Amino acid sequence: EVQLVESGGGLVQPGGSLRLSCAVSGFTFRHYWMHWVRQAPGKGLQWVAMIKGDGSQRFYVDSVEGRFTISEDNARNSLYLQMDSLRADDTAVYFCAGGLGWTAQYWGRGTLVSVSP
Amino acid sequence: EIVLTQSPGTLSLSPGERATLSCTASQTVTNNFLAWFQHKPGQAPRLLIDDASDRVAGTPDRFTGSGSGTEFTLTISRVDPEDSAVYYCQQCAHSPLTFGQGTKVEIK
Repeated sequence: EVQLVESGGGLVQPGGSLRLSCAVSGFTFRHYWMHWVRQAPGKGLQWVAMIKGDGSQRFYVDSVEGRFTISEDNARNSLYLQMDSLRADDTAVYFCAGGLGWTAQYWGRGTLVSVSP
Repeated sequence: EIVLTQSPGTLSLSPGERATLSCTASQTVTNNFLAWFQHKPGQAPRLLIDDASDRVAGTPDRFTGSGSGTEFTLTISRVDPEDSAVYYCQQCAHSPLTFGQGTKVEIK
């Protein structure tokens, strides 16, 4: 059974940092593209970043470029999102997702990040 | 960046009725790499349709994806109360990947 379980969310002040983790089981991580997608309160889904499972390619949405870093640990079958210089508009539920191509077939249930003084 | 515009914003239907959801792209989606997701509150989004028209394993056959280029449609032939959710299209052809703003389907 495929499972993606996010952790690391919480309350952080503007300008602070947070590191999200996603533990993946049920598929061979390095063969997949892995994504972070977020949903701000009352808003729709927004794609944030993706990484090829072997770590060789990464892409970001413009609004997080230079502040967020997506990474992976194949040995641990884990995905990470290092979030620095956090702003109020980064407040959202962050979902981990993965797929063989760029379409995310498998998803976690998300972890909440709140950026507030 | 490819902008996806979904319509209508909300659909309110009775069980057994047909639902037609539209997704229009600001430029051609290469190879029709367009996906449809179902999202219910508090749950993980669920992939229904890949590559514009490929139903993924486990998707009920009342869900049909169609279209190409810049115009795409998700049709639910006979809505069921369990179909109450927000539906998103996403283009997976060009980075940044982008979602439409969503269509909320309500079942009366």
